[in-house]
Amino acid sequence: ETGVTQSPTHLIKTRGQQVTLRCSSQSGHNTVSWYQQALGQGPQFIFQYYREEENGRGNFPPRFSGLQFPNYSSELNVNALLLGDSALYLCASSFAGRTYEQYFGPGTRLTVT
Amino acid sequence: QQQVKQSPQSLIVQKGGIPIINCAYENTAFDYFPWYQQFPGKGPALLIAIRPDVSEKKEGRFTISFNKSAKQFSLHIMDSQPGDSATYFCAARRQAGTALIFGKGTTLSVSS
Repeated sequence: ETGVTQSPTHLIKTRGQQVTLRCSSQSGHNTVSWYQQALGQGPQFIFQYYREEENGRGNFPPRFSGLQFPNYSSELNVNALLLGDSALYLCASSFAGRTYEQYFGPGTRLTVT
Repeated sequence: QQQVKQSPQSLIVQKGGIPIINCAYENTAFDYFPWYQQFPGKGPALLIAIRPDVSEKKEGRFTISFNKSAKQFSLHIMDSQPGDSATYFCAARRQAGTALIFGKGTTLSVSS
C-alpha cells in the first residue's frame, strides 16, 4: 500500500508568481483534501475534491484552485502569491464517507519572498 | 472565528505520566472528533476518533473522553514515553463529511 506523496518538498517563489503543488493519493482513496498549515498553527482546510469536482471549500480566495485527476491524484494552484501564503501545504486522502480518517502527506513547504 | 479551541499550548511531563489535552467546540454541526499526532517534518497522522454519541474510546495507551453537553473532549495518554513527544491536534469534522476543523495544537514533551 502506497502512502500519500507530495511534490516538491520545498519551494521558493517570488511575490506575484504562480505555483502548482502535486499530490498522489493513498491507493484506493477517492477523496483528496488540501490544507494550509502556518508555523505553529493547526492545518486550515482549503478545499476537498471528490470525483474530480470540488466538494467543499474553506475560507480561501479564488486564487487558490485545484484539480483532481481520474487516478485521484491532485494539484493545488495558487496565483498571485502573497508573502502570507508562505506555509506548509498538506494534502490528505481518504475514502468518501470516512473523511474523519484522513491520511496526510509530508507536505510542501512554500516560501514566498 | 476559531471553532475548535485547544489547550494547553504546550505540556511537559515525565516518562510514565498522563498528559491530558483539552478541546472545546462551538458548533454542534460536527459529527466526528479525531485526534492527530504530528512529528517535525511530517504530516499529521490519525491517532483515534470518536463520535458525539460515545462518551469514551480507548485505543492502546490513548483515550478520548467526550462530554457532549459541555461541548468538550480530551485526549489522555497513559504511561507516556519520550517517543510520544510530538504536536497533538484535536479536530472536528463538519457534517456532510468535508472539512476537518483543527485546533491550534499542543506540543507535548515527555522527559526521560
